[in-house]
Parts: sequence; C-alpha cells; structure tokens
Amino acid sequence: KQEVTQIPAALSVPEGENLVLNCSFTDSAIYNLQWFRQDPGKGLTSLLLIQSSQREQTSGRLNASLDKSSGRSTLYIAASQPGDSATYLCAASRTDKLIFGTGTRLQVFP
Amino acid sequence: DTGVSQDPRHKITKRGQNVTFRCDPISEHNRLYWYRQTLGQGPEFLTYFQNEAQLEKSRLLSDRFSAERPKGSFSTLEIQRTEQGDSAMYLCASTFRGGPGELFFGEGSRLTVL
Repeated sequence: KQEVTQIPAALSVPEGENLVLNCSFTDSAIYNLQWFRQDPGKGLTSLLLIQSSQREQTSGRLNASLDKSSGRSTLYIAASQPGDSATYLCAASRTDKLIFGTGTRLQVFP
Repeated sequence: DTGVSQDPRHKITKRGQNVTFRCDPISEHNRLYWYRQTLGQGPEFLTYFQNEAQLEKSRLLSDRFSAERPKGSFSTLEIQRTEQGDSAMYLCASTFRGGPGELFFGEGSRLTVL
C-alpha cells in the first residue's frame, strides 16, 4: 500500500529565502508524482507533474525532482515571496489514483 | 474552458438529511475523480469514473454514498442520511486517460453537518 509522507509539516521563512520541501513514498513503482498548492478553503492547483521516466521538472521559480530508487521527491522554491504562502501537497500514483501526503504548510513573511 | 467546476461550494445541512454535489470536469477529460479532505489532512480517494463507468470505489465510500456519471460528462455525489463525520471538503478532479496523467481539481464543495 502506497504511503506518502511530507516533511516538514509547517515552515515559516522570511521573504527571499530558497526553500526545499520534501516528499517520500513507500512504493517506488510509481507512474508519476504531482505537486499541488492549496490555499485555505480552496481546491488544489497543479504545480508540477513528474513522469516516472523523468528526473525533474521546472516551472518558473519552482523545480521538482524525483528519485524513484530512494522514494523521494523534493520541491525547490527559489526566492520565496509572501504570495507563496499556502499548503503544498505531493501525490504519487502507482495505479489509476493519486495518493496524497498531508502537506507542508508554508508561510513566507515580508 | 474554465476548468473543473463544482456546485454548491458550501452546504450546511442537518444530520440525517441527504445532500448532492455536482462536478463538471474539463470538457475533453474522460476520467473523473472524487476525493474527500478533512482539516489538516491530504485528500483521500473516494471513487473514479472513466467515461460513464465507475471503475473503483474506496472502502471510505459507505453504502450511504453513491456517485454517478450517467452520460460520461458531469458527475454527482450523493450522501444519504448525513452524519457529523461526513463534514469535509469534497473535491472533484479530472484528467485525460492516455495523456500524461496530470490531475486538475475543482474548488471543492464544503459540507458541514450540524
């Protein structure tokens, strides 16, 4: 059974810092891994999708890496801004459904 | 195309009442998913459809829950005889089977059972 863990559970940093959010999964035979952002009371916004054959994906200030052998993915946020404050969720799929971690709640203060 | 839309966004009901949520996926997407999320947790899978066929249901989906996607377009999730433990955010997502598998979510329907 796939289990997804995210560390840290919460993070508070000053504006401008570079951040690394961690995601680990127990079953390395995944199809893909997806990172999402969730604002309070809102739905999920897809940030990056990494296919199982890929090692990383980049979008603007975001870079996500995938190491299937170690069961880990990291989301790197460069030059953080207050607008980045949200909960970040990773999810792994081995079958036809995504299994989610509990998220990292990020606060970036000015 | 404006993405996945869900209705209603908020629903407050009394215990024992029935509620129904609707999801309209992105038009060309043939797969539709329902997830449930409680405070401080990640979304949990409930069920999914490919076109009109319901392919998998989670053990979380008790007999009081039923989901349909009659014409392979929009979907409904009905909860009968609601209980306080049903209070959660119900999220709908869609994707295209045969594509890269990226899942797109709606804004969710928040249910509060009094």
